[in-house]
Amino acid sequence: AQSVTQLDSQVPVFEEAPVELRCNYSSSVSVYLFWYVQYPNQGLQLLLKYLSGSTLVKGINGFEAEFNKSQTSFHLRKPSVHISDTAEYFCAVSGSTNTGNQFYFGTGTSLTVIP
Amino acid sequence: DAGVTQSPTHLIKTRGQQVTLRCSPKSGHDTVSWYQQALGQGPQFIFQYYEEEERQRGNFPDRFSGHQFPNYSSELNVNALLLGDSALYLCASSLGQWPGGYTFGSGTRLTVV
Repeated sequence: AQSVTQLDSQVPVFEEAPVELRCNYSSSVSVYLFWYVQYPNQGLQLLLKYLSGSTLVKGINGFEAEFNKSQTSFHLRKPSVHISDTAEYFCAVSGSTNTGNQFYFGTGTSLTVIP
Repeated sequence: DAGVTQSPTHLIKTRGQQVTLRCSPKSGHDTVSWYQQALGQGPQFIFQYYEEEERQRGNFPDRFSGHQFPNYSSELNVNALLLGDSALYLCASSLGQWPGGYTFGSGTRLTVV
């Protein structure tokens, strides 16, 4: 079974400050890891994904995440946030096609950027 | 190039009624997955359709059913609606069952009263 834990339900941060959104996963098989962003009344937009290779993954809008297999973590970071980054962020894990490729999502982290 | 299109965007139904939600996948995609996102929660997997067959299913009752058409579009049907079925229903498409290429639609907001 696979599951995702997002450790912070709400993260307030001042504009231009750095931010880290934490994500831990559990899985008994090799995984693929994702971060999605959801703006109010909209669907999910992919920020970045880890499928294989380099453990440091760069995504859109200046976000990056690091896959840490020993700590089963995939934390999302941005060195300087903008007001427009205010949104809900979801971490997700998926397995290989042999074990089912559905996504398991965390409960989300609400990022609020304060002017 | 159109992405994933879902209709309708909003819907209000009464308890006990039935509802059908529709999804057109992104051009070139042949696999459709459906997710339910309750308020304040992360999306939960309902089922996935590939080659017009249900390939995987999450922990949802039989009241939730679906269909995929030859043009790869899909429908989600929910019978005997409960208040707890109120949620945002998201459709995601991909080429095959490879998870790295999911594209999500904007969703259908279903309210059951």
